[in-house]
Amino acid sequence: NAGVTQTPKFQVLKTGQSMTLQCAQDMNHEYMSWYRQDPGMGLRLIHYSVGAGITDQGEVPNGYNVSRSTTEDFPLRLLSAAPSQTSVYFCASSRQGYSNQPQHFGDGTRLSIL
Amino acid sequence: DQQVKQNSPSLSVQEGRISILNCDYTNSMFDYFLWYKKYPAEGPTFLISISSIKDKNEDGRFTVFLNKSAKHLSLHIVPSQPGDSAVYFCLFYNTDKLIFGTGTRLQVFP
Repeated sequence: NAGVTQTPKFQVLKTGQSMTLQCAQDMNHEYMSWYRQDPGMGLRLIHYSVGAGITDQGEVPNGYNVSRSTTEDFPLRLLSAAPSQTSVYFCASSRQGYSNQPQHFGDGTRLSIL
Repeated sequence: DQQVKQNSPSLSVQEGRISILNCDYTNSMFDYFLWYKKYPAEGPTFLISISSIKDKNEDGRFTVFLNKSAKHLSLHIVPSQPGDSAVYFCLFYNTDKLIFGTGTRLQVFP
C-alpha cells in the first residue's frame, strides 16, 4: 500500500543544472499536484493536473515544468536550477481536485541549490 | 497578500489539556476548510475537514469550528497527547483557489 511515492528524498544541485523530481501514486487518483514548502510560508502550489494529459499552473509555477502522460506519474522538472528553488517539495494526489477530498502527500524531496 | 494566517507559529500544551489551533482568513468565498498534521521528514496527513455550510465537525479527540462572521477557523484537540506534537496546517479550498496556512508547531509535554 505505497500511496504517493517521491524520489529522491534528498538532492543537492549546482546552479544551472537540471533535474526531475519523480512522483508516483498507486491509488488511481485523477488529481495530482506539486507544492513547495518554505519557512514561514506554508505550502504553495506549483503545478497541478486534473487527469492524464492535462496540467495547469498554480501559485508559483515559474522555473518548473510538468507533464502527465499517465494517471500514476507526475514528474516535476527544473530546467535550470536557481538558489531560490532551494526548498522541500511535496507531491500530492486526490480523487478530485478543488473539493473537500483530502489530498494524500508523499514524504517530500529536500532540494538544495548551491 | 496572505489570505490565510496562522498567527501562532508555535504552541506548547501539557498532556491531557486542550490544544487550540487557529486560522484567520480574508476571502469569504472558501467552500471547504481542512486541517493537516505534519511530522518531520514526512508529508502532511489529513486530519479533519468542515464545509462552509457547517460550524462544527467532530472526529474523536479532534473538533473543528468555523466562525464565518469572524472568518476564523479553529481546531481543538482534547485531551492532547504527546503523539499530537507536530506542525498543523489549515487548508482552504474554493473553486479556483487552494491555500495553505503557514503552520503552527504544537508541542505536547508530559
